Amino acid sequence: EVQLVESGGGLVKPGGSLRLSCAASGFTFSSYSMNWVRQAPGKGLEWVSSISSSSSYIYYADSVKGRFTISRDNAKNSLYLQMNSLRAEDTAVYYCARDWRYCSGGSCYTLTDYWGQGTLVTVSS
Amino acid sequence: EIVMTQSPATLSVSPGERATLSCRASQSVSSNLAWYQQKPGQAPRLLIYGASTRATGIPARFSGSGSGTEFTLTISSLQSEDFAVYYCQQYNNWPPKTFGQGTRLEIK
Repeated sequence: EVQLVESGGGLVKPGGSLRLSCAASGFTFSSYSMNWVRQAPGKGLEWVSSISSSSSYIYYADSVKGRFTISRDNAKNSLYLQMNSLRAEDTAVYYCARDWRYCSGGSCYTLTDYWGQGTLVTVSS
Repeated sequence: EIVMTQSPATLSVSPGERATLSCRASQSVSSNLAWYQQKPGQAPRLLIYGASTRATGIPARFSGSGSGTEFTLTISSLQSEDFAVYYCQQYNNWPPKTFGQGTRLEIK
């Protein structure tokens, strides 16, 4: 069974930093790209960042570029998100999510299939 | 960036009836469209990918259709456990991976 367990959320002041972790189990972590997706209270889903299986490719949403850093440790089956210069608008539940690559009609695609339960980050003075 | 627009924002349907949810992309995403279900306090769950393929373990009452810019999620006979928020997401052209704003399906 695929399991993704986030940790590291909490209350932080504007301008502060926080590091989120995601522990993965039930699948070969090193073979999958991973993501962070967030959801502000009462709002919709917002993709934050993605990292390929070997960390060769990393992408960020414009809203976090230059402030957040995604990383992974395949030996520890873990995904991380270092968040610096936090703002009130970063307040959200942060989900760790797995990407699944499938092929159809001669082409291959990547979509997000499994999500963790999330960890709440609150940025407030 | 591809903008995804869902309608309606809220849909009120009685149990046992059919629900039809819509998702529109600002440019073609081919069939690279997924639907997710999210219940209060829970993580999203993948329902449909490739616009029309049910994910593992998803009941047959859930079906998806469409391609290009217009997509539909249909729930043929609503069960009590189906009342939730539904999101569409395109994965044809990213980053960024973009979601619709969601449709809340509520009991009438």
